Amino acid sequence: KNQVEQSPQSLIILEGKNCTLQCNYTVSPFSNLRWYKQDTGRGPVSLTIMTFSENTKSNGRYTATLDADTKQSSLHITASQLSDSASYICVVSAKGGSYIPTFGRGTSLIVHP
Amino acid sequence: DVKVTQSSRYLVKRTGEKVFLECVQDMDHENMFWYRQDPGLGLRLIYFSYDVKMKEKGDIPEGYSVSREKKERFSLILESASTNQTSMYLCASRFSVGGGLEQYFGPGTRLTVT
Repeated sequence: KNQVEQSPQSLIILEGKNCTLQCNYTVSPFSNLRWYKQDTGRGPVSLTIMTFSENTKSNGRYTATLDADTKQSSLHITASQLSDSASYICVVSAKGGSYIPTFGRGTSLIVHP
Repeated sequence: DVKVTQSSRYLVKRTGEKVFLECVQDMDHENMFWYRQDPGLGLRLIYFSYDVKMKEKGDIPEGYSVSREKKERFSLILESASTNQTSMYLCASRFSVGGGLEQYFGPGTRLTVT
């Protein structure tokens, strides 16, 4: 069964600090991996997408990495801001069929001033 | 910009009531999804529609049904609401079946069944 595991479950950091969120998956055959940001009371919004051949992709202060061999991804947030407080969800899609994505349970990030 | 709207942000219903949750997207997307999101469990797929009048069960379809009569609208129906259906419901749309295509989410409906 396809699975996506995220760690940590929650994280508290001070404004201005960096942090890294982890995602491990067993989805096969791999198609792509997305990181979504979900603000409280809102729907998730895509931050980045990574395919098999991509190792690193940046979106402003967000940098995602992918190691397709170990089936791991990370999301690094640089110089955190209060607005980064949100849930970050790792989503992996397998090739074939209806391309139904598999969602991780998310990491809840709180940035304190 | 893609816009996915849901009929209500908050809804309170009684046990046994029939509940309709509506979702509308304005970008001519073929695929639409209904998820529920519970603390600690993440998003779980209830139903998926890949085109008008087409639907597939997701991971947790029990107690739910769906309707897709028009391309832009996807309805989730709780035939007889129960307290264990209290949750956040999220609708999403996607252009079509394909590996890299982004899902666009609505703001969610927080349903409370008393």
